[in-house]
Amino acid sequence: KQEVTQIPAALSVPEGENLVLNCSFTDSAIYNLQWFRQDPGKGLTSLLLIQSSQREQTSGRLNASLDKSSGRSTLYIAASQPGDSATYLCAVRLGVYGQNFVFGPGTRLSVLP
Amino acid sequence: KAGVTQTPRYLIKTRGQQVTLSCSPISGHRSVSWYQQTPGQGLQFLFEYFSETQRNKGNFPGRFSGRQFSNSRSEMNVSTLELGDSALYLCASSLRGGQTYNEQFFGPGTRLTVL
Repeated sequence: KQEVTQIPAALSVPEGENLVLNCSFTDSAIYNLQWFRQDPGKGLTSLLLIQSSQREQTSGRLNASLDKSSGRSTLYIAASQPGDSATYLCAVRLGVYGQNFVFGPGTRLSVLP
Repeated sequence: KAGVTQTPRYLIKTRGQQVTLSCSPISGHRSVSWYQQTPGQGLQFLFEYFSETQRNKGNFPGRFSGRQFSNSRSEMNVSTLELGDSALYLCASSLRGGQTYNEQFFGPGTRLTVL
């Protein structure tokens, strides 16, 4: 059974810092991995999608990497801003027609002005 | 392009009642997935519909059901509500088929409270 964990569970940093969020999964046979952010009481906003054949994806100040063999993905946020404060979730997709996404518990990020 | 919409946004029901939630996917998206989010269990997959057919189902009791219409809009139904069904129900749509990336786009959710 695929399990997804995220470390740390919570993180508080001053504005301007670069930071790394970690996501680990137990079964490397994934179809893709997606990073989301969730603001309190809201839905999920897609940040980056990495296909299983890719190593990384970049969007603005965000960079996500994927190492399937070790079951890890990292989300790098450069020059953090207070508006980045949210919960960040990673999710692995197990197959096109298999069980859908398995989500990690999330990392709650607070960026202090 | 409009995003995923869910109605209603908030709902209060009592135990034993049944409830129907609605989701309209992004125009052109044919796959709709439903998730339940609770503080204790996190985000859990309920089911996925594609072209009016249920493709995948998570580990939820039969009280949870859904359907998809020919215009890709989807509804989920929960019968005989229990206190533990209180949660944020999220719907996601994606473009399925062929060499798609299957990126999922989420709606704002329906907050269900069972009293």
